[in-house]
Amino acid sequence: NAGVMQNPRHLVRRRGQEARLRCSPMKGHSHVYWYRQLPEEGLKFMVYLQKENIIDESGMPKERFSAEFPKEGPSILRIQQVVRGDSAAYFCASSPHKRAEQFFGPGTRLTVL
Amino acid sequence: DQQVKQNSPSLSVQEGRISILNCDYTNSMFDYFLWYKKYPAEGPTFLISISSIKDKNEDGRFTVFLNKSAKHLSLHIVPSQPGDSAVYFCAASANTGNQFYFGTGTSLTVIP
Repeated sequence: NAGVMQNPRHLVRRRGQEARLRCSPMKGHSHVYWYRQLPEEGLKFMVYLQKENIIDESGMPKERFSAEFPKEGPSILRIQQVVRGDSAAYFCASSPHKRAEQFFGPGTRLTVL
Repeated sequence: DQQVKQNSPSLSVQEGRISILNCDYTNSMFDYFLWYKKYPAEGPTFLISISSIKDKNEDGRFTVFLNKSAKHLSLHIVPSQPGDSAVYFCAASANTGNQFYFGTGTSLTVIP
């Protein structure tokens, strides 16, 4: 069984550009979570999605950030007009149902120049 | 507002001895707790969980203890091995919520 896949593993963007981060959950998992980890900090919840639905986006900044989990294809975290403060590691996790153990991907390290 | 706290950023333990990692939480609604282990440049890996109906859960060398009255949980690793050197995160969730709240992590170094 393939684990949670994230790509790209590293992403470099200039200020003002868009960043698209992809996450393919484990087979059979319909619950996807996105987290951000800033240097020297823990994992901060951003958004929780189930197929085609955003369940909880309380941790996501109101502007420039959006997430989707379409019926077909990976979940996408999109950051528009990136700023230097967006530089972080972004982790995706999936689970078979709500509040089950979450399985994490390897993360995408975003660097904004 | 940090609802899950790991007050020790780092811990060093001799190989073969016990490692004890601590975690405190503030939200009395939390009823499900997880521990994750993370190596550099990798995603966290699930280690062990505990529900609030229990006060102890054991899996091989790993045991998690939950003290609900103190809002405190701990992870015991015995015997500690060099391969256990990693950052350990605790996480908590409430039945009424959708998310897990993570602590800031404790970096464990097991000295051979």
